[in-house]
Amino acid sequence: AQSVTQLDSQVPVFEEAPVELRCNYSSSVSVYLFWYVQYPNQGLQLLLKYLSGSTLVKGINGFEAEFNKSQTSFHLRKPSVHISDTAEYFCAVSVGLQGAQKLVFGQGTRLTINP
Amino acid sequence: NAGVTQTPKFRVLKTGQSMTLLCAQDMNHEYMYWYRQDPGMGLRLIHYSVGEGTTAKGEVPDGYNVSRLKKQNFLLGLESAAPSQTSVYFCASSYGTGQTLNTEAFFGQGTRLTVV
Repeated sequence: AQSVTQLDSQVPVFEEAPVELRCNYSSSVSVYLFWYVQYPNQGLQLLLKYLSGSTLVKGINGFEAEFNKSQTSFHLRKPSVHISDTAEYFCAVSVGLQGAQKLVFGQGTRLTINP
Repeated sequence: NAGVTQTPKFRVLKTGQSMTLLCAQDMNHEYMYWYRQDPGMGLRLIHYSVGEGTTAKGEVPDGYNVSRLKKQNFLLGLESAAPSQTSVYFCASSYGTGQTLNTEAFFGQGTRLTVV
């Protein structure tokens, strides 16, 4: 079965510092990977997704992620974070489920930005 | 453009009470899902639907029932609430026909349920 592991449950960083949120997934023939962000008391919204092609994927709010097939990783990065990036971030892999798509989520990483 | 709307946003239930959570989407999506979110566990799929009139079990279906009588609505029912069902519930929908795995899922704002 597909699984996703987010290696850090909490990541504190200072404003304007770079950040990397780590995600590893279990191997599969075809992989579709997503990063979602959840701001406090809100639902999840898509940051970016990897379907195929270039291994470097750019998303909203200056985030990017790199798909690494050999290391089965899909780490999320931002070169300079802002207070508004404080949120919980979820990595997810898409799997087939009887004709539908199922998103299998990691445990989440809470990103806290300190001034 | 409302997207995915969940009602209610908050609810407190006593053990043994029943309730229904409503999810409505206005994007004409075929697929709809109910997830629960618990600290340190990410989101886990409860039930899902691939179209009007169809439903299926996800990873954690026990204690829940669902119905999809209309394409735009997906209801989640708790017949006899238990404290273990205290959680935040999210509804999601996505476009797709057949086995489409690369589409974005759109989420509602969540329902925070406490069972005492």
